[in-house]
Amino acid sequence: KQEVTQIPAALSVPEGENLVLNCSFTDSAIYNLQWFRQDPGKGLTSLLLIQSSQREQTSGRLNASLDKSSGRSTLYIAASQPGDSATYLCAGVKETSGSRLTFGEGTQLTVNP
Amino acid sequence: EPEVTQTPSHQVTQMGQEVILRCVPISNHLYFYWYRQILGQKVEFLVSFYNNEISEKSEIFDDQFSVERPDGSNFTLKIRSTKLEDSAMYFCASRKAGYMNTEAFFGQGTRLTVV
Repeated sequence: KQEVTQIPAALSVPEGENLVLNCSFTDSAIYNLQWFRQDPGKGLTSLLLIQSSQREQTSGRLNASLDKSSGRSTLYIAASQPGDSATYLCAGVKETSGSRLTFGEGTQLTVNP
Repeated sequence: EPEVTQTPSHQVTQMGQEVILRCVPISNHLYFYWYRQILGQKVEFLVSFYNNEISEKSEIFDDQFSVERPDGSNFTLKIRSTKLEDSAMYFCASRKAGYMNTEAFFGQGTRLTVV
């Protein structure tokens, strides 16, 4: 069974700091991995999709990497801002389980002004 | 920018009542999904739908749940007889095609409260 784990569960940083969020998955047979942002009580906003053939994707201040062999993905946020405060979720599509996304528990990020 | 829309944003219902949650996926998308998130827990997969039929469902999606695409735009989730433990945020999602290479886009969710 595919399990997705995110560490840390919560992170508080001062504004302007660069930070890394971690995501690990137990089964390396994944098609792709997607990072989402969730604001309190709100929906999921897609940030980045990394296909299994890719090693990283960038969007603005965000960079996500994927290492299938080690079962890990990271989301790097550069020059963090208070508006980045949210919960960040990673989710993978496993090769043998259709097209469902399996989610981690999320990392709750607080960026302090 | 196209988006997945869900209605209502919040629904309160009495235990045992039927509820229908509604979603309008992005217009050129072909794969549709329902997920749920119980407060403080992970987002969980319920069901996927493609070509007018269920393609996959989780163990959560029992006989009390059903999905339908009644027309070319709407996608609904029906819970036949709600239980207290059905209280959760329900998310609809859609993909364009070829799930290996496409993002899943989520709606803002419907918060279902069963009392």
